[in-house]
Amino acid sequence: LAKTTQPISMDSYEGQEVNITCSHNNIATNDYITWYQQFPSQGPRFIIQGYKTKVTNEVASLFIPADRKSSTLSLPRVSLSDTAVYYCLSSTYNNNDMRFGAGTRLTVKP
Amino acid sequence: EPEVTQTPSHQVTQMGQEVILRCVPISNHLYFYWYRQILGQKVEFLVSFYNNEISEKSEIFDDQFSVERPDGSNFTLKIRSTKLEDSAMYFCASSSTVPEAFFGQGTRLTVV
Repeated sequence: LAKTTQPISMDSYEGQEVNITCSHNNIATNDYITWYQQFPSQGPRFIIQGYKTKVTNEVASLFIPADRKSSTLSLPRVSLSDTAVYYCLSSTYNNNDMRFGAGTRLTVKP
Repeated sequence: EPEVTQTPSHQVTQMGQEVILRCVPISNHLYFYWYRQILGQKVEFLVSFYNNEISEKSEIFDDQFSVERPDGSNFTLKIRSTKLEDSAMYFCASSSTVPEAFFGQGTRLTVV
């Protein structure tokens, strides 16, 4: 499984778009990229997953370039309630070895 | 919305005692996981379970740990002889398709 690297922390302000980049240089052909969100004292929550190009849902967008060595989670117009730790994972579809990296602590300020 | 349920929410135990943490995964899910999170640290993978057997485990998951699916609904994590460093939040998760997993609210284990 490809190791993922993310910034340790990021700060933003309400209403801004936030982009969190994850590096996964050794990603395997069968690996997907998945992002989770974790609030304090809660379990992680699935946000989005993708394989290539762009995926969008009601919460976020995920951009994965053609070489797949990195990915970017985009959160549009963040609010204070988006303050959380965001984890990027690389895992093979239906291979249930899902290991979290250190994550990115996003702080949204008023 | 279906959810993963964990009990108890908080357990205090004495060092050396056995504890069993319980989880009820979402009913049609096939993959089950246990994670732990020491306060202020990242989420650490312990074990995954599929088709009634362990499919992956981490180096943390040593002989002191075991998992079981005793019936069609429960999924348990047993720690045989707890140590102070086992104090953490333990999360259970389940999924129908990897890697979209659903996590429970966790059990906070305090070893004294």
